[in-house]
Amino acid sequence: GESVGLHLPTLSVQEGDNSIINCAYSNSASDYFIWYKQESGKGPQFIIDIRSNMDKRQGQRVTVLLNKTVKHLSLQIAATQPGDSAVYFCAETGYDMRFGAGTRLTVKP
Amino acid sequence: KAGVTQTPRYLIKTRGQQVTLSCSPISGHRSVSWYQQTPGQGLQFLFEYFSETQRNKGNFPGRFSGRQFSNSRSEMNVSTLELGDSALYLCASSWDGPIQDSPLHFGNGTRLTVT
Repeated sequence: GESVGLHLPTLSVQEGDNSIINCAYSNSASDYFIWYKQESGKGPQFIIDIRSNMDKRQGQRVTVLLNKTVKHLSLQIAATQPGDSAVYFCAETGYDMRFGAGTRLTVKP
Repeated sequence: KAGVTQTPRYLIKTRGQQVTLSCSPISGHRSVSWYQQTPGQGLQFLFEYFSETQRNKGNFPGRFSGRQFSNSRSEMNVSTLELGDSALYLCASSWDGPIQDSPLHFGNGTRLTVT
């Protein structure tokens, strides 16, 4: 069946390094993708989105890349900071919104 | 502007009981959706309400139900609680329209523990 998933459940990086979080999707009809950040004890927070007619979108310290050929989505965080430690979800929209399992990012000082 | 507010933040119930969770959306938002979050299953869509009508429904048993009031506030109810219902229940609101123009805004959730 269709699914949204993440390659790695955990990611540990050194403060100041760049982080890359990956997401695979299989519904070729999905036309809108979102990355959410969820800190402990809080609900998911919108980070950045991208439409299927785009390959790349940049925000403040974050970049989302979309490769429709291999149905792959990634979130790049530049100069990762301790405050970036959280679980990151990708989500796709089709009939409804479906979320990936999440990747826990830990930033080491 | 106040964010999405969910009450209560924590609940402890016993098997067989029922529970009602409340969600107040961002002012002006007319769509409210509910999600269940567990370590094993991640975020799963329960249902969405718009203008007091259920517009979409996920794959959950009939024990899970919801409603929306004329002021867009929403409640969800779980009857005959089971241990597996222990989860974080998240509410999200949006203005409506194409999702690309109306992303979801989440509350901080209600942590339900069933013993």
